[in-house]
Amino acid sequence: EVQLVESGGGLIQPGGSLRLSCAASGFSVGDNYVSWVRQAPGKGLEWVSVIYTGGTTYYADSVRGRFTISKDNSANTVYLQMTSLTADDTAVYFCAREGRGNWFDPWGQGTLVTVSS
Amino acid sequence: SYVLTQPPSVSVAPGKTARITCGGNDIAVKSVHWYQQRPGQAPVLVISYDSDRPSGIPERFSGSNTGNTATLTISRVEAGDEADYYCQIWDNISHQRVFGGGTKLTVL
Repeated sequence: EVQLVESGGGLIQPGGSLRLSCAASGFSVGDNYVSWVRQAPGKGLEWVSVIYTGGTTYYADSVRGRFTISKDNSANTVYLQMTSLTADDTAVYFCAREGRGNWFDPWGQGTLVTVSS
Repeated sequence: SYVLTQPPSVSVAPGKTARITCGGNDIAVKSVHWYQQRPGQAPVLVISYDSDRPSGIPERFSGSNTGNTATLTISRVEAGDEADYYCQIWDNISHQRVFGGGTKLTVL
């Protein structure tokens, strides 16, 4: 079964840093694109970042320069390092496998990041 | 950057047909994907490549994409279809993935 499990969320003060993990099973992150998508409380979905099979990365304008996506193929895990966090970054962060047509399937259950003093 | 526009809400009676639109500049040249998100759950892909239905998705779900509007159609709507629905594309110029604002489907 293809599955993704996020972890690493929590309460963090403004200006702080946090690293999220996305552990994959049933497929290899080395052979697939993986994206992070977030959803602020009561709001819609916002794409955050993607990492390609060869390591190429892209970011949403709202996080470029502050967030870094990476992966460990041997651990079959994708990471999202988040720095300079603000209240606007408060959201549930989902990771998802991205198909060649750039659709997302499946999604993890999400991990909540709350930025507050 | 590319913008996708969805109506905030759509209401439909059980057994009727719901149509949720997703507007974008010349969206017909792009592949549109649709997701269903029930409260407290992760999104689920229900339509890919404008009109392809992933395994396990009921035939009641269909999609189309012409001109400046993509449409998700849900036939014979059931109470369990009540959810938020999002359209999504890949912007080949910016390499960014873009979601519509989402549409809340209410089954009356």
